[in-house]
Amino acid sequence: QKEVEQDPGPLSVPEGAIVSLNCTYSNSAFQYFMWYRQYSRKGPELLMYTYSSGNKEDGRFTAQVDKSSKYISLFIRDSQPSDSATYLCAGGTGANNLFFGTGTRLTVIP
Amino acid sequence: DAGVIQSPRHEVTEMGQEVTLRCKPISGHDYLFWYRQTMMRGLELLIYFNNNVPIDDSGMPEDRFSAKMPNASFSTLKIQPSEPRDSAVYFCASHSTGELFFGEGSRLTVL
Repeated sequence: QKEVEQDPGPLSVPEGAIVSLNCTYSNSAFQYFMWYRQYSRKGPELLMYTYSSGNKEDGRFTAQVDKSSKYISLFIRDSQPSDSATYLCAGGTGANNLFFGTGTRLTVIP
Repeated sequence: DAGVIQSPRHEVTEMGQEVTLRCKPISGHDYLFWYRQTMMRGLELLIYFNNNVPIDDSGMPEDRFSAKMPNASFSTLKIQPSEPRDSAVYFCASHSTGELFFGEGSRLTVL
C-alpha cells in the first residue's frame, strides 16, 4: 500500500464549477500535508500547506485535513481554465519526508 | 532568483549507456532532493542532501544509481548502465524553510 493514495482521474469540469480533489494516507504520524500543482511539462509548485488537522483557505482554494479518517481534500471554487493542471497531494512528518500521491489531472472547460 | 535549474531537459539514450543529470539548487537552500516521476508510481524520493551531505538514499533503486553534491550549488544524478525501466522524469528540488521548490525536470528516455 502506498503511503498516499490519490484518484488519478482525469477530472473534467465546466468553468465556474466547484472541484473536489481527494487523497487518503496511511501513516498516522503524518503532520504536514501539502497540495502541489503541476502544469504540463513543468515542475510541481506548492499551492497549499496545512499542518495537522483543519481547514486552510487561500482565495478560491481550500485545503482540508481530517486526521481521524486520514483524508486530505482540496476544493477549488469558481474553477477557471487556468486551473487545468495535475494536482499532487503530499503528506509526511516534514519537508524531508514527504510522500506524494500519483496526481489527479484536472481540465476546466471554458 | 532563477529557481532550481536542471539539465538536460530531455535525454534520449540507449540501454547500457551512462546518463548524468545535473541540478543547480536555489542559492541559500541547504537541502537538495532528487525525485523520479512516473505515471504508475508518481513522484518518488530517491535521495536528499543537507549541506552537501547525503542524508537518506533509501529511495535509490539500485547500485546503478548514484548521486553527488560536490558543493552547495551543484548536484548530479548518474545512472550507469541505464535500462528502459529508468525512463521517467527526474526532478531536483531544494528548500531551506520547508517549502520545496522544484526544477522543471529532466525527461529521460532509455531505448
